[in-house]
Amino acid sequence: GAGVSQSPRYKVAKRGQDVALRCDPISGHVSLFWYQQALGQGPEFLTYFQNEAQLDKSGLPSDRFFAERPEGSVSTLKIQRTQQEDSAVYLCASSLTDGEDYGYTFGSGTRLTVV
Amino acid sequence: AQSVTQPDIHITVSEGASLELRCNYSYGATPYLFWYVQSPGQGLQLLLKYFSGDTLVQGIKGFEAEFKRSQSSFNLRKPSVHWSDAAEYFCAVDYGQNFVFGPGTRLSVLP
Repeated sequence: GAGVSQSPRYKVAKRGQDVALRCDPISGHVSLFWYQQALGQGPEFLTYFQNEAQLDKSGLPSDRFFAERPEGSVSTLKIQRTQQEDSAVYLCASSLTDGEDYGYTFGSGTRLTVV
Repeated sequence: AQSVTQPDIHITVSEGASLELRCNYSYGATPYLFWYVQSPGQGLQLLLKYFSGDTLVQGIKGFEAEFKRSQSSFNLRKPSVHWSDAAEYFCAVDYGQNFVFGPGTRLSVLP
């Protein structure tokens, strides 16, 4: 597609519920990032993929967070047993990283509210 | 530690006035530097980026930024602000595989 697409745009989850957030990066983009943006804060790094390989997951806040990109394109961020502190906007970004282009294109994010 | 600071949490300017948003980063070498804008309900949009070369970088929407190595700064400027510029602005630094964002500066524009 023309841009990075994230779905759903909004998600309300009851505490303890599992959620799955989807990111469709720009076709052909090698790198994919997930960020968590709490209200009034800047985005915080969660995890990074290069194709299907998860090269860095140091930003995942707990073992309840899991991300995958099995075919090197679409990525899913899963949060198990959601807690109220998980409420945030989750941003996905992709980058071509072939040396000819640089910069990250961000999706509009998924706003997760845990009640 | 790798960090990015934006000292101003909220700035209010009148339409037509000039604007400067401050950004400082911590690092020894020259990293890659970015400015993003986020409008309400929208994703982040890249305004401009600096990798090397000319330290004055031109971006979209009439924005520019100047890299000053001696001050570890990358301040964003615009000579004349438009009402549509009201948004949240994030400075970001690429320290390798990790991208570090500043906390953001909210810009309000008075008519």
